[in-house]
Amino acid sequence: AQSVTQLDSQVPVFEEAPVELRCNYSSSVSVYLFWYVQYPNQGLQLLLKYLSGSTLVKGINGFEAEFNKSQTSFHLRKPSVHISDTAEYFCAVSVRRGSQGNLIFGKGTKLSVKP
Amino acid sequence: EADIYQTPRYLVIGTGKKITLECSQTMGHDKMYWYQQDPGMELHLIHYSYGVNSTEKGDLSSESTVSRIRTEHFPLTLESARPSHTSQYLCASSRDGRGTGELFFGEGSRLTVL
Repeated sequence: AQSVTQLDSQVPVFEEAPVELRCNYSSSVSVYLFWYVQYPNQGLQLLLKYLSGSTLVKGINGFEAEFNKSQTSFHLRKPSVHISDTAEYFCAVSVRRGSQGNLIFGKGTKLSVKP
Repeated sequence: EADIYQTPRYLVIGTGKKITLECSQTMGHDKMYWYQQDPGMELHLIHYSYGVNSTEKGDLSSESTVSRIRTEHFPLTLESARPSHTSQYLCASSRDGRGTGELFFGEGSRLTVL
């Protein structure tokens, strides 16, 4: 079975500072990887995804993530955050083959950007 | 902007009442989902559908039921609500049923059962 661990439940950071939100997964088979963002009182929206190819993936709003197969990680980074990045971020995986393709989500990391 | 809508956004009801959470999408997606979201917890898949007349239970056992009579509509029903059903319910749809594609989420229905 697959699982996703987001190592930090809350990350406070000052505006214009860099940030890294950590995500590790476990799976015995190859996976697809995703980061979603949830702003207050809204649904989730896709930030970026890794399906294959280059391990560095760029997404919306200046975010990027790097797939590291040996460390089974998919950490999310942004070099300079804004107040508007305050939200909850969810890492998710789905199995490449032999399943319904349903996403498995982590518990989320709340990013709080302070002025 | 995603075209998936959930109603009601907020609902407070008493124990034992029957409730239906509505979800509609205008994107023509075949696959639709219901997730349950509680603070500090993973989103748990409770139901999904591959298309009309197809419904499956997800990873988390739920006393709710769903139906898919039309492609665009995927309502969730609780026959007799209990305080343990208090949660946020998120509806989503995807064009791709193989897990490679993007899920489009509604804004959620926050249910409180007294």
